Amino acid sequence: DVKVTQSSRYLVKRTGEKVFLECVQDMDHENMFWYRQDPGLGLRLIYFSYDVKMKEKGDIPEGYSVSREKKERFSLILESASTNQTSMYLCASSRYRGLAYGYTFGSGTRLTVV
Amino acid sequence: DQQVKQNSPSLSVQEGRISILNCDYTNSMFDYFLWYKKYPAEGPTFLISISSIKDKNEDGRFTVFLNKSAKHLSLHIVPSQPGDSAVYFCAASFSGYALNFGKGTSLLVTP
Repeated sequence: DVKVTQSSRYLVKRTGEKVFLECVQDMDHENMFWYRQDPGLGLRLIYFSYDVKMKEKGDIPEGYSVSREKKERFSLILESASTNQTSMYLCASSRYRGLAYGYTFGSGTRLTVV
Repeated sequence: DQQVKQNSPSLSVQEGRISILNCDYTNSMFDYFLWYKKYPAEGPTFLISISSIKDKNEDGRFTVFLNKSAKHLSLHIVPSQPGDSAVYFCAASFSGYALNFGKGTSLLVTP
């Protein structure tokens, strides 16, 4: 089974801190994605990557950046955390750019910014 | 603007009955549609998908119907089981681009 691992299940950070959320997948998938899930808003795409060192903005990239130095790892960076970034963050990967296989999601990181 | 809409935030169904979850979309370029299921404190898991060249896809108790002219799809679960209680997300994509998700519908199946 494909596994997508997010390094932390729960995280509490202070306003203004730089925060790193790590995601690793073990099945050589090309594509990786970061979403956030908020009540009443569903899943919203922050950033995604189709290849190493490539990144593309999603629908809500403001306040975030990403890094993909290796194929299996995709990091989400909150440059200066703010309380409105308190959310559930979900990482996903997929093998091909086409979606015949859908995404595999990690278990999520619940981030609280105080 | 939300391109994938799930207008029912919640649905309650009795065990053994049919659950019908609905989804509407606005972008006629979408060519692939998926349903995901999510339990609390877990990531979403892929349930079933359908290509825009089809109007129905079935997998066990789950069937997805696509009506392109109405820009509408639905997920049917028959028979519903208590373990089906979860949040269901509809998602859509075109040309393999990243998925657009709806806001989700919380399904409760009561014994």
